[in-house]
Formats: sequence, C-alpha cells, structure tokens
Amino acid sequence: GAVVSQHPSWVICKSGTSVKIECRSLDFQATTMFWYRQFPKQSLMLMATSNEGSKATYEQGVEKDKFLINHASLTLSTLTVTSAHPEDSSFYICSATRTGDTGELFFGEGSRLTVL
Amino acid sequence: GENVEQHPSTLSVQEGDSAVIKCTYSDSASNYFPWYKQELGKRPQLIIDIRSNVGEKKDQRIAVTLNKTAKHFSLHITETQPEDSAVYFCASLRAGRRALTFGSGTRLQVQP
Repeated sequence: GAVVSQHPSWVICKSGTSVKIECRSLDFQATTMFWYRQFPKQSLMLMATSNEGSKATYEQGVEKDKFLINHASLTLSTLTVTSAHPEDSSFYICSATRTGDTGELFFGEGSRLTVL
Repeated sequence: GENVEQHPSTLSVQEGDSAVIKCTYSDSASNYFPWYKQELGKRPQLIIDIRSNVGEKKDQRIAVTLNKTAKHFSLHITETQPEDSAVYFCASLRAGRRALTFGSGTRLQVQP
C-alpha cells in the first residue's frame, strides 16, 4: 500500500503564533496532496489542493494568507497556520493520491491543533 | 459544486445484525465512490470503493451498491461486530477532479 506520514500528531500553541504541519508520502510520489480540516463530530472539509511546484488551490472561504501551503517536492507538502487563534483548533489531515491514480486517497495520521 | 448527503447520522445495531448507510450525490459526472471508516482520533481508512461502471461490489461482510440513475450509493455491513463501531464516511469524485467530496458521516454503534 501507499503510506502517508504526517507530523506533528498533536500540537498546542499560543494564540498569535504560527504552526507548521508536514505531510510526506513515504513510498510513492504525490504530485497532488490535499489538506482537510475536521472539527469534532463533523466531516472532512477540503481546505486546499497542493500541487508540486506550483501554487495551491484553495477552497472557497479558506484564507490563503492564513493557511500557507508549500509543496516543494513530490513527497512533501507543508501547511502553516499563521497567527493561529482558538477557532483554528481542529484536526488537520493531509492526503495524497499516487501520481497517475484517480480516486483512492491515502491519509496521513492527522494533526490535532489546539490554540490556547 | 458536488454535494454528498449521507444518512443516517447515527446508527445503532445489535451484534450480528446488518447495517445500511446511504448516500446521495448531486453531480452526474461523478464516477468514483469510496467508503471510509474512521475510528476516534485516527485517520480515515478506505474499506471499499466502487466505480460508476459497476452496480455492486462485495468484500467479505462489506458490500456497496450504486444506482447511477438515482444518484445514490449504499454501504452494507452484514454480521456486524463490535469492532465495526466507528464513523463511516461516503465520498464521491467528479471526473476531471482529484479531490473527494465527503458525506457528513454516520456514527455506527454495534451493541454486543
């Protein structure tokens, strides 16, 4: 199978600080990665599509200047939550498809962010 | 954009009974429909998927059916076990897109 690793698995930060979350595809190349956010007892909401070597595509309502996405290589995408506030507290999950595949998503372990 | 509706939001069954979860999608161009199981605090895991060129797929106790005309698909779990307790999400993928759209989730509780 395909393995996606995400770090950190949980992070607590103070309001106003920035937090970076990494998403790596360990055994395959991922031209495209996806960042989802999941609030308690809710579904996964797509935040943005991360494309290797180009700018991310953000979903409507997601602030691109607040949620910075960088996809510098075929195996790494990062999400930086800038100037975090308590309402940004959530479960952030990255996912990837294998280049050439259409459909099956492989998810990272998720990162639980708590902003105090 | 694509919209996926999922019902019920919660489902409680006795061990050994069957469980059925239903989803409806809006975009007739959708052609891939996976189901994910998510345990508390963990990542979603693909349990079964179906493409639009087939009407049914089965894997041991799990099956998925697809009705393209009505634009709905269902997950069927037979002989449920306590370890089946989790949140289940349906999703759909529109042809030409790469991002899945997820349903709202169903919390399944299997009572021993």
